[in-house]
Amino acid sequence: EDQVTQSPEALRLQEGESSSLNCSYTVSGLRGLFWYRQDPGKGPEFLFTLYSAGEEKEKERLKATLTKKESFLHITAPKPEDSATYLCAVQGSNYKLTFGKGTLLTVNP
Amino acid sequence: DGGITQSPKYLFRKEGQNVTLSCEQNLNHDAMYWYRQDPGQGLRLIYYSQIVNDFQKGDIAEGYSVSREKKESFPLTVTSAQKNPTAFYLCASTLAGGSEQFFGPGTRLTVL
Repeated sequence: EDQVTQSPEALRLQEGESSSLNCSYTVSGLRGLFWYRQDPGKGPEFLFTLYSAGEEKEKERLKATLTKKESFLHITAPKPEDSATYLCAVQGSNYKLTFGKGTLLTVNP
Repeated sequence: DGGITQSPKYLFRKEGQNVTLSCEQNLNHDAMYWYRQDPGQGLRLIYYSQIVNDFQKGDIAEGYSVSREKKESFPLTVTSAQKNPTAFYLCASTLAGGSEQFFGPGTRLTVL
């Protein structure tokens, strides 16, 4: 059974204070690892797909990396508008997505 | 603008009632999905459909039903058999063979 564990559950940062979110996973036949951003009361917004270990992708202040066991979402010099819940999901050989519970990020001005 | 729409945004159900949540997409995506989101839990798959007139149960299908008569539409019915239906329901879609799922804005269902 595919599993995804995200840590920490919640993270509070000061504006400009860089940090990383972790997504540990076990999956049968990784087809892709996905990061989403979710604002309160809204649907998840797609951020990145990573397909193989060593791959990295960047978007503004966010950078996602992937190893064989985990993925990191690095947030550089965050702003208050980066506050959201960040979701990680893996797609295995059965093509289904398995989601973690998310990390609630709060960035204080 | 292409996207996924869900309606209504908020829905209230009385005990014993069936209710239907709408999901429409104009992205020309082949596959569509329904998820349920509860506080402190990851998204859980209810049903999915990869082509018209075909759908499969996800991990928590009991008490739910779906139809896929058109490529653009994938309505979800929450039946009275679903004992704990209060949750945030999310619809998603993707291209055939694609990996990234794109989500709608969600419907919050509350049982009175």
